[in-house]
Amino acid sequence: SQKIEQNSEALNIQEGKTATLTCNYTNYSPAYLQWYRQDPGRGPVFLLLIRENEKEKRKERLKVTFDTTLKQSLFHITASQPADSATYLCALESSTLGRLYFGRGTQLTVWP
Amino acid sequence: DVKVTQSSRYLVKRTGEKVFLECVQDMDHENMFWYRQDPGLGLRLIYFSYDVKMKEKGDIPEGYSVSREKKERFSLILESASTNQTSMYLCASSLGAGGISAEAFFGQGTRLTVV
Repeated sequence: SQKIEQNSEALNIQEGKTATLTCNYTNYSPAYLQWYRQDPGRGPVFLLLIRENEKEKRKERLKVTFDTTLKQSLFHITASQPADSATYLCALESSTLGRLYFGRGTQLTVWP
Repeated sequence: DVKVTQSSRYLVKRTGEKVFLECVQDMDHENMFWYRQDPGLGLRLIYFSYDVKMKEKGDIPEGYSVSREKKERFSLILESASTNQTSMYLCASSLGAGGISAEAFFGQGTRLTVV
């Protein structure tokens, strides 16, 4: 069956450091991979989308990589701030119709 | 500004009641989704609709049904609410036309408690 795994449930880092979150998948051949941020009690908010033919994508302090051979995406937040504390979710489509599946998320805490 | 609106933020219902959760999007999106989110289990797909009157089961459709009579509205129905359906319910929409993926926009969520 299809599976999406995010490397850890929680990640704690010091302000100013780079946070690296991992998303691994099995039994998918996604054309896209997406990353979302979710704050407590709110719906997820889209951050970045990376296509299978893109190795890397950047947006301000965010960087996403996509390795279809390893079936893995890495999500980096550089110069992290306490305001970056949230749960980060990766998502994949399983069919051309656009059905979207999510990993369980990694809760990031950035402490001052 | 794009918007997905869920009809209720908090809802308390009794066991056995029929419950309707409504979701409206104003972006003319093809795809709409219903997820439930529980601690430690993440977002689980209940149902997915890729067009008006079209639907597909997700991973956990048992005990739920959906309706999409108009493009902008996607309703989740709990036929007979049970306590194990107490959860946060999230609606989302995405462009999805022609199999082209796009970001999903989420509503604010409905926290349903079944007593």
